[in-house]
Amino acid sequence: QKEVEQNSGPLSVPEGAIASLNCTYSDRGSQSFFWYRQYSGKSPELIMFIYSNGDKEDGRFTAQLNKASQYVSLLIRDSQPSDSATYLCAVNAGGFKTIFGAGTRLFVKA
Amino acid sequence: DTEVTQTPKHLVMGMTNKKSLKCEQHMGHRAMYWYKQKAKKPPELMFVYSYEKLSINESVPSRFSPECPNSSLLNLHLHALQPEDSALYLCASSQEGTPQETQYFGPGTRLLVL
Repeated sequence: QKEVEQNSGPLSVPEGAIASLNCTYSDRGSQSFFWYRQYSGKSPELIMFIYSNGDKEDGRFTAQLNKASQYVSLLIRDSQPSDSATYLCAVNAGGFKTIFGAGTRLFVKA
Repeated sequence: DTEVTQTPKHLVMGMTNKKSLKCEQHMGHRAMYWYKQKAKKPPELMFVYSYEKLSINESVPSRFSPECPNSSLLNLHLHALQPEDSALYLCASSQEGTPQETQYFGPGTRLLVL
């Protein structure tokens, strides 16, 4: 059974702080890794994807991938109240099946 | 443009009704997906169409019937649903042929079955 694990949270950080969201996956053949943000009652919105080991930065967001440890993370710098949402980690091992984690709820306090 | 559109936004139906959900994308993506999402749960894959052919059916009950009339459109026909089918139904698309299969989601249809 291929699994993607995330801490459900809530993760609470003050405004301006760095939020760190973590995800582990079980399938060593996984090739592509995605972070989606989902506001309550809305659909998932793609934030970033990463497929190579190391860091990938896009604005305030940095995705980090370590395939040896089967670990992917998302850092959000200068967190804003508008970043309060559920963050879904998703993993694809090839083909059409992307496995989603249950999500981590992030709360940024003003 | 990474837009996937879905109609209707909200749908209330009785258990004897027949209704359809519609999804459209104009990104030239050749893979389209239906997901079901219950509150506080991750999206669950239902169906995948690739080049307008059904590629994956995740053992979904026959009261859900997908249809892909062309490369831009995806429908989900609903008949004799149960109250437990109430959920957010998400459509997504991806550009097949890339190893990443990055999926872009539509806004969803919130379905309530009475």
